[in-house]
Amino acid sequence: GAGVSQSPSNKVTEKGKDVELRCDPISGHTALYWYRQSLGQGLEFLIYFQGNSAPDKSGLPSDRFSAERTGGSVSTLTIQRTQQEDSAVYLCASSLGVRETQYFGPGTRLLVL
Amino acid sequence: AQSVTQPDIHITVSEGASLELRCNYSYGATPYLFWYVQSPGQGLQLLLKYFSGDTLVQGIKGFEAEFKRSQSSFNLRKPSVHWSDAAEYFCAVVSSGGSYIPTFGRGTSLIVHP
Repeated sequence: GAGVSQSPSNKVTEKGKDVELRCDPISGHTALYWYRQSLGQGLEFLIYFQGNSAPDKSGLPSDRFSAERTGGSVSTLTIQRTQQEDSAVYLCASSLGVRETQYFGPGTRLLVL
Repeated sequence: AQSVTQPDIHITVSEGASLELRCNYSYGATPYLFWYVQSPGQGLQLLLKYFSGDTLVQGIKGFEAEFKRSQSSFNLRKPSVHWSDAAEYFCAVVSSGGSYIPTFGRGTSLIVHP
């Protein structure tokens, strides 16, 4: 079956613009995670969705970051008023449930000029 | 708070040589432990995981890892490295109770010389 997909694969934007990053999880996976990977760094947790529960937003670095998950499937990560320090690879992962193996998408490489 | 340390930023080995990548964690109880590999331009792929039971776990691509509770370690090993193993390797920890948010190490970059 299809894996986790993310779009766009690359995004170049100007400082101050808003961007939307999309994640299509594996069908049937109830858990969905967003991470940020900066150059030479590990994965930084951003937000977590599990079923119909309220998302865990504890990793979002500022109120410019938000995410939603519609119908328990597709998720969109939105970054408002982008800053140069937002440049990174944004990874999405899905799993059957908490503490289960996560399946990662290829990521969206964001460059803020 | 749980933490994961991968002390080696880069490791260089010759093809055919053995490999050990180190991972140490800090957590009060036995966590769930994972090793992921990220090849250039690819997403992360699970190599192996440890939840409980036998402390030596086998994974894909000939990798294995051993959980050592006394050393709070979960080191990844492979007896003979192939050039295609060149990649970034990440160790991750999830608590077995409480927070379900995984903590990742900063990664170890493996370079394989022919």
